Amino acid sequence: GAVVSQHPSWVICKSGTSVKIECRSLDFQATTMFWYRQFPKQSLMLMATSNEGSKATYEQGVEKDKFLINHASLTLSTLTVTSAHPEDSSFYICSASKGLGEDTQYFGPGTRLTVL
Amino acid sequence: LAKTTQPISMDSYEGQEVNITCSHNNIATNDYITWYQQFPSQGPRFIIQGYKTKVTNEVASLFIPADRKSSTLSLPRVSLSDTAVYYCLVGAPSGYSTLTFGKGTMLLVSP
Repeated sequence: GAVVSQHPSWVICKSGTSVKIECRSLDFQATTMFWYRQFPKQSLMLMATSNEGSKATYEQGVEKDKFLINHASLTLSTLTVTSAHPEDSSFYICSASKGLGEDTQYFGPGTRLTVL
Repeated sequence: LAKTTQPISMDSYEGQEVNITCSHNNIATNDYITWYQQFPSQGPRFIIQGYKTKVTNEVASLFIPADRKSSTLSLPRVSLSDTAVYYCLVGAPSGYSTLTFGKGTMLLVSP
């Protein structure tokens, strides 16, 4: 159990366009979902934390108007990169936590975003 | 959030036991210790989690001394497919706490 999926697995877009990435918990309800970004040969950097039905909490330095997060249900969170630029090219990974005293985060397979 | 320190890299050979130690000197009373494995271009995979003493599952063991200021992930009889980056994290099991990833340990298993 505890499977998290992401869609798409990779995406290429033109500079200035917006891209939406979906994160789904397939076999459990996720009270909390997290979004990370990982540049080549670097560690994961937390971007934001979202709880179902409430606004996301963004980490310092992450622009909330550029990275729109929606956690509309207990099994789905979306990250929209608005007006993407080449410097936004990265590996985006989501994770989900069951909450209710269980802290383990289960990670999705990641989405490779390339902005031309 | 408790900071963790791990070796940047380790080398091993197939069939050997590998022990990766993580230091977390300022671990809080409520913090648990969790290890993840990450292959290139994949999301991290949960390996094991513990609070104190020893925890064992089908893939690894986690040893935590009484002072909990460090922990050791033990991988028995590694294979080439265990080549990956291993992350040690500490955090409280609230379901809402964030994780801070350090640099991790790059384990290279050779034939």
